[in-house]
Amino acid sequence: GQSLEQPSEVTAVEGAIVQINCTYQTSGFYGLSWYQQHDGGAPTFLSYNALDGLEETGRFSSFLSRSDSYGYLLLQELQMKDSASYFCAAPSNQAGTALIFGKGTTLSVSS
Amino acid sequence: DGGITQSPKYLFRKEGQNVTLSCEQNLNHDAMYWYRQDPGQGLRLIYYSQIVNDFQKGDIAEGYSVSREKKESFPLTVTSAQKNPTAFYLCASSHQGAGTEAFFGQGTRLTVV
Repeated sequence: GQSLEQPSEVTAVEGAIVQINCTYQTSGFYGLSWYQQHDGGAPTFLSYNALDGLEETGRFSSFLSRSDSYGYLLLQELQMKDSASYFCAAPSNQAGTALIFGKGTTLSVSS
Repeated sequence: DGGITQSPKYLFRKEGQNVTLSCEQNLNHDAMYWYRQDPGQGLRLIYYSQIVNDFQKGDIAEGYSVSREKKESFPLTVTSAQKNPTAFYLCASSHQGAGTEAFFGQGTRLTVV
């Protein structure tokens, strides 16, 4: 089976830094992705890690440690518009299809 | 513009009726997916297809059926066998390959009345 665990809620203030963790159990590992979803909208892709280390894309970074079956999404210089749900996801096959998602972390950014 | 389109946005169904949700993409993606989203449950995979005329069950396929007769289209039928069909349904597509970005439609909110 495959499961991804992440905290249900995180709160922060504008300008702060927040880290959203994801631990996973998978029968085979083919990388870890992160998606953002605003309320009632479509999820959008943020990042992907196949190898250990940090991937940086603007204010967002994603980290992976395969030995710990752990990753995190780091959001810097938080803005109100970052209030959304964030999902970690992993493919369940080598083709990269059949993404399995965590239950999501709701981030609330206040002023 | 390329993208993935789901219709309708809102759908109401009487108990005991089958209903079909549409999903069309013009991104030339081989893979397409259907997810169900309930509050606090994240996205759960219903079915996925990696190529035309082939599809695989996801974690919660019971009470659902799909077809993939064309590369662009992957309709989902919610049958009367689905015990709790009220949910937000999301369709997605992607190229094959780990790490490939999945593109999602805007979703269909199905309510059983």
